[in-house]
Order: sequence, then structure tokens, then C-alpha cells
Amino acid sequence: ETGVTQTPRHLVMGMTNKKSLKCEQHLGHNAMYWYKQSAKKPLELMFVYNFKEQTENNSVPSRFSPECPNSSHLFLHLHTLQPEDSALYLCASSQEPLLAGATYEQYFGPGTRLTVT
Amino acid sequence: GENVEQHPSTLSVQEGDSAVIKCTYSDSASNYFPWYKQELGKRPQLIIDIRSNVGEKKDQRIAVTLNKTAKHFSLHITETQPEDSAVYFCAAGIPSNFGNEKLTFGTGTRLTIIP
Repeated sequence: ETGVTQTPRHLVMGMTNKKSLKCEQHLGHNAMYWYKQSAKKPLELMFVYNFKEQTENNSVPSRFSPECPNSSHLFLHLHTLQPEDSALYLCASSQEPLLAGATYEQYFGPGTRLTVT
Repeated sequence: GENVEQHPSTLSVQEGDSAVIKCTYSDSASNYFPWYKQELGKRPQLIIDIRSNVGEKKDQRIAVTLNKTAKHFSLHITETQPEDSAVYFCAAGIPSNFGNEKLTFGTGTRLTIIP
């Protein structure tokens, strides 16, 4: 299972730190997503990028800053986070649906388990 | 925005029996309804999906039904096996201008198959 990779897999950071999460997809997809998964809460969509352009920001606080330099890479820059931001952050990608034979399936990465102390 | 409710939150069934998980959604613009399975410590993976112009879809032991009028859809797993134990998430999707889906997920159902 190497279609969508995320690094690091685990991250512990203080509230004053700055860190970045990285996602890379090797599937030739054109859409990439960031989700937050907290205990006992649904998967929450944070950002959507289509062809490197941000097309969705789901009212995410500015302490989360996404970056998509190309269709294969997606970053989430973190600064001055709060303890309640501790969660599993999942990246996903999907095909451009207008392609012949394309599906709508979102392929998830393994996630980064973030702990904010 | 879209709101998806999922029930039950936990479900235990005897191996070989059937399991049913139900979801409701609020936005009539939603037209895509996938189900994802997440095993412990692993990533969510799509197991089946349905579009709003189809009432039912089946793939071996898994089936999904959709009632667009009532805004609810359900996952049915028959002849359950221990490997079906996982957390199942429903989602409702609203298409973007790019054709992909903005998904709103339910809170998940932890399914345990009792051997």
C-alpha cells in the first residue's frame, strides 16, 4: 500500500512550535485532500486542492496552512497549535472524474498522529 | 452545510449473521454516498458506493440501499466474518465544479463480529 504516503507518521509538538506534514501520492491523481480525524468525531474535511488550486477551505483556523506545489504533493504547515488540535491527520487523493473510467474513490494515506503538548 | 448522522455507533453480531448500518443526510444536493471501512490502525478504504440515480447496489456480501426521498442510505453486510470487524463510515458527497466530491462523513460504526 504505497499509493498515498504521509510523513511523519507520528509528531509531538509544543504549542509554540512550527512543523509541517507532508503527503505524496503516486497515483496520478489531480485532487488532494486534508482531513482531521479525532476520537468519537467524524472525519472532518479541512482542505481540497484540484490541479494545485485550493478549492475548499472548510472554515479551518489560520494556524493550519496548506500548500500544494504540484498535483503529487500536499503539505500542511502547522504553527501555534492548541492541545485540541491533537488528532490523526489524513491525506487523500482522487482522480479527475471526467476521465474515462475514472472513479470518485478517495484514496487515503496512513495518516500522521499529531500530539500537541 | 451537509449533516450526516450514522447509527448505531457500535454493533456486535454473531459470525454468519447480517449487519445493517444506517445513515441520514440533510442536503438534497448530495448525490454520491460512499462507505469506507477502517480497520484498527489502518487507513479508511472504500468498500462500496452509490449514486443518487440508483436505489440499490450489491457487491458480493455487501449491499447499499438509498432512499433519496427520505434522505437515508444503509449498508448491509450478510454472512458476516471476523475480518468484517472494523469501523465503518458513511459519507454524503456534493460535487464540486471539478467533478470530484466534497464528502461529509458520519461518526462511524464500530462493528464487532463475534466468532
